[in-house]
Amino acid sequence: NAGVTQTPKFQVLKTGQSMTLQCAQDMNHEYMSWYRQDPGMGLRLIHYSVGAGITDQGEVPNGYNVSRSTTEDFPLRLLSAAPSQTSVYFCASSYGRGVRADTQYFGPGTRLTVL
Amino acid sequence: DAKTTQPPSMDCAEGRAANLPCNHSTISGNEYVYWYRQIHSQGPQYIIHGLKNNETNEMASLIITEDRKSSTLILPHATLRDTAVYYCIVRATSGSARQLTFGSGTQLTVLP
Repeated sequence: NAGVTQTPKFQVLKTGQSMTLQCAQDMNHEYMSWYRQDPGMGLRLIHYSVGAGITDQGEVPNGYNVSRSTTEDFPLRLLSAAPSQTSVYFCASSYGRGVRADTQYFGPGTRLTVL
Repeated sequence: DAKTTQPPSMDCAEGRAANLPCNHSTISGNEYVYWYRQIHSQGPQYIIHGLKNNETNEMASLIITEDRKSSTLILPHATLRDTAVYYCIVRATSGSARQLTFGSGTQLTVLP
């Protein structure tokens, strides 16, 4: 299993540009989520999905869109990048229900800089 | 989810056991103790979890006191690659996946 993969690893954008961060998992997990982590700070939830076709907002959703057309993929779209979105973005997945629901697997992260 | 308290930093000699404490004095009967770690610049990594019995897996052991008000994560033979921030999280397993809330954790530095 590759686990949770994220691309790209690094990205530099100019203010106003848009882009999509990719996340994929091969563990057949129902639950997927996106967090951002600012320097010296904890992780904050952006959006999450409990299954294909179902998404919901987390703690800091503004400026981001998500979709979940397949179980495996959960892309995060930045609509119009702003310097405040400079951060490290982590994708995570887990089984949606049961005792393993709280065992989450994280990807390696995408380091985004917005100039 | 119950509040947890961890020391901000700890050192451990390579090859020795690393014992990371966590205080969760307000834990409820249905709340589990989870441990994650984050190695610098990497995504958080699940280590272990438990309810009231001690647990062991290939990565670590988790010792929970009888009153469940505190726990200790034990890395039996710490290596330099175990240098990371370790997070203790207490939460009720609702049966549905949801957001993890990471506190400030303990920065463990394994010294050669």
